[in-house]
Amino acid sequence: DTAVSQTPKYLVTQMGNDKSIKCEQNLGHDTMYWYKQDSKKFLKIMFSYNNKELIINETVPNRFSPKSPDKAHLNLHINSLELGDSAVYFCASSLRTGGAGTEAFFGQGTRLTVV
Amino acid sequence: SQELEQSPQSLIVQEGKNLTINCTSSKTLYGLYWYKQKYGEGLIFLMMLQKGGEEKSHEKITAKLDEKKQQSSLHITASQPSHAGIYLCGADMYSGGSNYKLTFGKGTLLTVNP
Repeated sequence: DTAVSQTPKYLVTQMGNDKSIKCEQNLGHDTMYWYKQDSKKFLKIMFSYNNKELIINETVPNRFSPKSPDKAHLNLHINSLELGDSAVYFCASSLRTGGAGTEAFFGQGTRLTVV
Repeated sequence: SQELEQSPQSLIVQEGKNLTINCTSSKTLYGLYWYKQKYGEGLIFLMMLQKGGEEKSHEKITAKLDEKKQQSSLHITASQPSHAGIYLCGADMYSGGSNYKLTFGKGTLLTVNP
């Protein structure tokens, strides 16, 4: 049983398209995250949700819209895709929002390539 | 500026050698996490440190958090090719209200030559 699963694993699409990445966790965690890992492997937080509520929104273009229908799911929708959106996107979850002692568990990543 | 500085950026060692990776912050770290990432895969949690002076070990990997809780080191003894990958330190950074965000350093790419 995969703890944090995200689909699809690979996504190749043309500029201007709209796409979604889905994420589900079966750990009973309250907090979920989206991270973007660029070509230099730098992992940058995009969003964090706690019990379906958005708590962290880093400076991400508003073409990116996360949606959390319940606390086990956090999906990422991207409008009008641009070349610079090409990256690996990771979903993660943790027991709670942090403040010491809440390690995050990561999905396998979605490699998005915009052509 | 980067909230968590990791060094070195990359490291190449001969199998059997010891090595150390460092992670430094100008702010107090409320929780410090070490992860490993293999190419094309997700992050694997290694260890978590919370208290100043804390040290934890798992197999041949030891992680320490200094007394001031601003610096951590990851030490690998007698490295093996299976240790190769990207090592990332992460920390809970206060982001307002009762929220913290899990922020990462830029990672250290470790190559172990047989």
